[in-house]
Amino acid sequence: DTEVTQTPKHLVMGMTNKKSLKCEQHMGHRAMYWYKQKAKKPPELMFVYSYEKLSINESVPSRFSPECPNSSLLNLHLHALQPEDSALYLCASSQKLAGEGDTQYFGPGTRLTVL
Amino acid sequence: QKEVEQNSGPLSVPEGAIASLNCTYSDRGSQSFFWYRQYSGKSPELIMSIYSNGDKEDGRFTAQLNKASQYVSLLIRDSQPSDSATYLCAVNGGGSYIPTFGRGTSLIVHP
Repeated sequence: DTEVTQTPKHLVMGMTNKKSLKCEQHMGHRAMYWYKQKAKKPPELMFVYSYEKLSINESVPSRFSPECPNSSLLNLHLHALQPEDSALYLCASSQKLAGEGDTQYFGPGTRLTVL
Repeated sequence: QKEVEQNSGPLSVPEGAIASLNCTYSDRGSQSFFWYRQYSGKSPELIMSIYSNGDKEDGRFTAQLNKASQYVSLLIRDSQPSDSATYLCAVNGGGSYIPTFGRGTSLIVHP
């Protein structure tokens, strides 16, 4: 089973709202990732967690706040977003960060629209 | 800065033909190489990972890695219209575990 689940599938929010995206995997993977993807562009890495600790923050604005409550769950808390933050938000997981076992499996994504 | 280059296409092939997708990368220390398929509006789906020089086959798909020349390719045999998608090449390793994606190649398989 190589399934990563994400909820919600679609989210529409105003610029003053607070919302959260959720990602879950039960493959025993210890690395989890958040990506943002705009139309016709490749996925853009936002955050990497390894063993529930934040390893990489790719200079993401503080209106995006990640959280890894346990080894299976990854959240992305959203606050005071801008319309240009509208995108497909992808979660991925891998057994480890580098070497064999670093294959990333993506969830279906959350389509976010900021009004 | 690691760079991964792909021809954006579109690459158009007739049904039943072999589609050949290419990817070059700049970091000679890269160790892990991946091909993903992405349909419009959907998330990337792993086709294959390859770590060693040579060919790796899985069904109609063959990945080819040449570390000396710093390229990795994907061959799709007996192409089907359902193969029409964007194919993303991704590279990892080489002192950094931040995977780098190419911009993707759009493949169109016409009946």
